[in-house]
Amino acid sequence: DTGVSQDPRHKITKRGQNVTFRCDPISEHNRLYWYRQTLGQGPEFLTYFQNEAQLEKSRLLSDRFSAERPKGSFSTLEIQRTEQGDSAMYLCASSPRTGDTEAFFGQGTRLTVV
Amino acid sequence: GESVGLHLPTLSVQEGDNSIINCAYSNSASDYFIWYKQESGKGPQFIIDIRSNMDKRQGQRVTVLLNKTVKHLSLQIAATQPGDSAVYFCAETPDKLIFGAGTRLAVHP
Repeated sequence: DTGVSQDPRHKITKRGQNVTFRCDPISEHNRLYWYRQTLGQGPEFLTYFQNEAQLEKSRLLSDRFSAERPKGSFSTLEIQRTEQGDSAMYLCASSPRTGDTEAFFGQGTRLTVV
Repeated sequence: GESVGLHLPTLSVQEGDNSIINCAYSNSASDYFIWYKQESGKGPQFIIDIRSNMDKRQGQRVTVLLNKTVKHLSLQIAATQPGDSAVYFCAETPDKLIFGAGTRLAVHP
């Protein structure tokens, strides 16, 4: 296992299109996080899962965003009707159990909406 | 809302000097803290962590100090090297990781 894997690494899409990102966490990690990061800012929490259950979704996340983790392993983040303001780095992280352990991050998916 | 913030956005140091990066947090329920290093185009990388029942923890060339009275966290890097140049984030968690804006560390030869 080489760590958290995210696909694609880069995505350029036209405004109004839908995009989907995938995250494969470290094997047997129960917790999975999604973050968004813009230039010069820290990662901004979007949502997280404990196994297949989505425990919390940020108020910043509009209805255009949805995340799933159907079998408690990989996760997908979908953005519908993309807007230019969605352009950012989308980071995924996983940890072995609840919040009091280190979260390991993937390399991120850079989204550019044109 | 509750947040994690940093005192200095940019820190410039000479190679070989010690670096100190500071962080303030506001959630008194947070019981676990992590420092991450992020290089350009990469995801954050774990440096060191500390639990709220401790006030100091040392790693290789790094030390984290936690002052719960004033809700302050610091990262000390000894003998800073050019490879330490990156953005550093503190993060806190009572349940999920919350990050601050980061401090850019620039190491000059």
